[in-house]
Amino acid sequence: DGGITQSPKYLFRKEGQNVTLSCEQNLNHDAMYWYRQDPGQGLRLIYYSQIVNDFQKGDIAEGYSVSREKKESFPLTVTSAQKNPTAFYLCASTKPGATEAFFGQGTRLTVV
Amino acid sequence: QKEVEQNSGPLSVPEGAIASLNCTYSDRGSQSFFWYRQYSGKSPELIMFIYSNGDKEDGRFTAQLNKASQYVSLLIRDSQPSDSATYLCAVRALYNQGGKLIFGQGTELSVKP
Repeated sequence: DGGITQSPKYLFRKEGQNVTLSCEQNLNHDAMYWYRQDPGQGLRLIYYSQIVNDFQKGDIAEGYSVSREKKESFPLTVTSAQKNPTAFYLCASTKPGATEAFFGQGTRLTVV
Repeated sequence: QKEVEQNSGPLSVPEGAIASLNCTYSDRGSQSFFWYRQYSGKSPELIMFIYSNGDKEDGRFTAQLNKASQYVSLLIRDSQPSDSATYLCAVRALYNQGGKLIFGQGTELSVKP
């Protein structure tokens, strides 16, 4: 079945550590997105990528980094520079054009 | 000004009533508009999308778009307790303008039996 897989579902990070969230899709979609959601809030765009080897910052890119070496994969690294990383992280993908986004199941990151 | 704005709610309606959710956007170049439903702790799921001015109906849901006013809405008829969730409005720019997909802050809907 086609879809978007995020892993892990739950992730715990110690202060000062970098962690990487995985996002893989087999929908053959070109565009991929990372969003952050805090309790009671909407989705805020971190980074997005329209094609392989290219990506753009969203509204809250500070403290995060991404790569897009393969069409299927768009991992997100939460660096130690992100001072308040505890949140629900969602990965999405879309076909070119004006089509809807498909979401993964999300990763809940907690700083301990 | 936020790129996509929604009434924060919560919005409470009795079972069987019509729920009206509103959204405004700032980028006149936006081409496609989406309504997602999100249950607590889950990822968003698509309810409706609309590209052209006017109304689009799908079952109990009607999306309305007015590009001149930069306004999009979602009506839920015969609201059910199972409709209680957060509703997210999303707007996507043209692909050749970046194509980024921006969400509003969401409106929490509560349908009371």
